[in-house]
Amino acid sequence: GAVVSQHPSWVICKSGTSVKIECRSLDFQATTMFWYRQFPKQSLMLMATSNEGSKATYEQGVEKDKFLINHASLTLSTLTVTSAHPEDSSFYICSARRLAKNIQYFGAGTRLSVL
Amino acid sequence: GEDVEQSLFLSVREGDSSVINCTYTDSSSTYLYWYKQEPGAGLQLLTYIFSNMDMKQDQRLTVLLNKKDKHLSLRIADTQTGDSAIYFCAEKGETSYDKVIFGPGTSLSVIP
Repeated sequence: GAVVSQHPSWVICKSGTSVKIECRSLDFQATTMFWYRQFPKQSLMLMATSNEGSKATYEQGVEKDKFLINHASLTLSTLTVTSAHPEDSSFYICSARRLAKNIQYFGAGTRLSVL
Repeated sequence: GEDVEQSLFLSVREGDSSVINCTYTDSSSTYLYWYKQEPGAGLQLLTYIFSNMDMKQDQRLTVLLNKKDKHLSLRIADTQTGDSAIYFCAEKGETSYDKVIFGPGTSLSVIP
């Protein structure tokens, strides 16, 4: 159990376009979802925390207008990178947590390459 | 602030035991986790331990916790080439508002 599906696994886009990444909890209801960014050979950097039905809480230094997060249902959260630029190229990983549980389950990640 | 430290690299021979160490600073840490990340993939939860436990064993994995020294270790018995990956130590406080704090990850290389 506790499977988190993330799509797409790899996306290449042109500079200036927007990209949407989906994160789904397949066999449990995720009241809280997290979005991380990971640079090569580095640890995970938390970008934002989203609770179902409410606005996401962004970490310091993360532009909320740049990285739009929607958590409209208990099984789906989306991250939209708006007007992507080459410096947004990175590995983005989502994570989901059940209500009142303290275990986070991770998606497989999305590699974003902006040309 | 909260901090989690790990050595960055570990190399072992196939069949030997691997021990990955981690230290953390937050004395209120309640949950301590070990995640595995293979190249190009997400994080896989390997095991976790509560702060009121000293040890947890699950097949080839043994987690030891020294709460006094804030030291956590992961021992992998009979290490295989498939164990080559990055291992992240992480900790979290008791409440749902506490965030999971990750260490920098230890890259384990298994030599055939």
